[in-house]
Amino acid sequence: EPEVTQTPSHQVTQMGQEVILRCVPISNHLYFYWYRQILGQKVEFLVSFYNNEISEKSEIFDDQFSVERPDGSNFTLKIRSTKLEDSAMYFCASRGQGASRPFFGQGTRLTVV
Amino acid sequence: KQEVTQIPAALSVPEGENLVLNCSFTDSAIYNLQWFRQDPGKGLTSLLLIQSSQREQTSGRLNASLDKSSGRSTLYIAASQPGDSATYLCAGKTGANNLFFGTGTRLTVIP
Repeated sequence: EPEVTQTPSHQVTQMGQEVILRCVPISNHLYFYWYRQILGQKVEFLVSFYNNEISEKSEIFDDQFSVERPDGSNFTLKIRSTKLEDSAMYFCASRGQGASRPFFGQGTRLTVV
Repeated sequence: KQEVTQIPAALSVPEGENLVLNCSFTDSAIYNLQWFRQDPGKGLTSLLLIQSSQREQTSGRLNASLDKSSGRSTLYIAASQPGDSATYLCAGKTGANNLFFGTGTRLTVIP
């Protein structure tokens, strides 16, 4: 079965540093998402992306966050200046056309120290 | 805003038992509801997706139901196995682009 691939699996960064989390969605999918899960809490929606632009974002997705699909295959989440509270598991997901279900990657665990 | 609640938060059963996990949501204008499995430190594996026009979906030993009017969904697992031990999440989609997740039920199947 096709899968969504995320790299790295674990990233440790110092507070204030920029991080880029990378995702390779399923090749013929059109809708892309980032979610996060702080340890012990719910999975929360961050942003959705379609047709090369953000289609929806949550209140969590402030000016410190940005997304990009730089080359037609990768989908990245950038955090400009990380804070301790950004420590979480970040999940990428992609979905095909219509009512198809989203496929999630294995996640990147981000630890800000 | 959609709120999704799952009970119980944790459940332990002996191997072979049938069990039911519960999910409730506040906004009945739901587009679809999805059940996921999450293993410790791992990603989300989609198990079943029920469209708003459907009442249930089945996959192997799993059966999920959806009752929009009461704002409830259940996941039934038949003949549980130790390999079923994981956290089970339900997530509702209400026409917007994103999913609203519940807090999950951590299932332990004891051999």
